[in-house]
Amino acid sequence: DAGVIQSPRHEVTEMGQEVTLRCKPISGHNSLFWYRQTMMRGLELLIYFNNNVPIDDSGMPEDRFSAKMPNASFSTLKIQPSEPRDSAVYFCASREDSTGANVLTFGAGSRLTVL
Amino acid sequence: KQEVTQIPAALSVPEGENLVLNCSFTDSAIYNLQWFRQDPGKGLTSLLLIQSSQREQTSGRLNASLDKSSGRSTLYIAASQPGDSATYLCAVQGNMLTFGGGTRLMVKP
Repeated sequence: DAGVIQSPRHEVTEMGQEVTLRCKPISGHNSLFWYRQTMMRGLELLIYFNNNVPIDDSGMPEDRFSAKMPNASFSTLKIQPSEPRDSAVYFCASREDSTGANVLTFGAGSRLTVL
Repeated sequence: KQEVTQIPAALSVPEGENLVLNCSFTDSAIYNLQWFRQDPGKGLTSLLLIQSSQREQTSGRLNASLDKSSGRSTLYIAASQPGDSATYLCAVQGNMLTFGGGTRLMVKP
């Protein structure tokens, strides 16, 4: 398996623009997580899907952030409009929750810079 | 609310030394604990996962222990090498998955 695949790896945009980050989880994994990592706040959970359904979005900072998982193999995190304080590395992770192994596998991350 | 603390925040050791990284958590009602490694500018790589019923897990030079009752886990690295230099994070799975702030390790040749 190619692991969790995220795109783009790097994005530089201007304040006010829409940003869409993409994630392809590992095939067979039924849970998907979006995290944000900054030097100041470390790793923060933004939203968690199980079987394509959002379970906990309490970490989504505000209405400018939205996430979707239209099917088991694809998820998006959208920021509209983007602000400089959104600059961070955004990680997607997936996990298979039915066997009890519960190993969380991360993608390589998308580094976002909002000017 | 679960709180996960990792001490020290940074550690510098000479090559060959055995070392211990610490992780403590406030709520012992957990399902498992996972240790990750993160290299600069990269994603997180899973090292070891300990289920709540287990006391330890080993992989090569790494050994992770779990004491649920005291809310502690340790990651032991034997015979450290410069290639071990990275940030090590622990994550505790309860109702939520909560990460510690990480320990930044530098192993000097």
